[in-house]
Amino acid sequence: AQTVTQSQPEMSVQEAETVTLSCTYDTSENNYYLFWYKQPPSRQMILVIRQEAYKQQNATENRFSVNFQKAAKSFSLKISDSQLGDTAMYFCAFLNNAGNMLTFGGGTRLMVKP
Amino acid sequence: EAGVTQFPSHSVIEKGQTVTLRCDPISGHDNLYWYRRVMGKEIKFLLHFVKESKQDESGMPNNRFLAERTGGTYSTLKVQPAELEDSGVYFCASSQDHAIQQETQYFGPGTRLLVL
Repeated sequence: AQTVTQSQPEMSVQEAETVTLSCTYDTSENNYYLFWYKQPPSRQMILVIRQEAYKQQNATENRFSVNFQKAAKSFSLKISDSQLGDTAMYFCAFLNNAGNMLTFGGGTRLMVKP
Repeated sequence: EAGVTQFPSHSVIEKGQTVTLRCDPISGHDNLYWYRRVMGKEIKFLLHFVKESKQDESGMPNNRFLAERTGGTYSTLKVQPAELEDSGVYFCASSQDHAIQQETQYFGPGTRLLVL
């Protein structure tokens, strides 16, 4: 079974600065998918970024980028130029190649301060 | 295009009562998933439908939970009778049928269930 660990329950960052959220996972599989989801207060969970394990290049979506270290089983999310609207709960999730269920970490609550 | 919708947004019931949650997936998505997050814990998978068929229900906690997806469109999740430990947020997600690679799951806003 896979496990996903987010070691930072809460984090804060000043507006316009950069913050990195940590995520590690455990799996014996070679092909899989990793995701970061964001859930703003009282709003629904949306996809931030996705990474396929077979791709060596780190995924990037505008101000959001990942540092995917397959050997270390690490998948951190970097948010550049943080904005107030980035305040949310961030979930790291794992999906194996043949599976259907996402395995989630416990989440990191990020507060962007003005 | 409308996203995944869930109804109700909140539900407060007493222990022993029945509650039915509804999920409408994104139009055209064959895959529908239910997850839940009980207080202080991780979001956990409950089950997966492909069209109207249950593909995987390994995450269903016990037989008090019944999920259906008649006609392969919307899905319902019924809890009967509800217990205190069922309190939490119930999420629904959907994805397109994948032929080559795993498709991204898109989530609804969740139903917050409180059992008193």
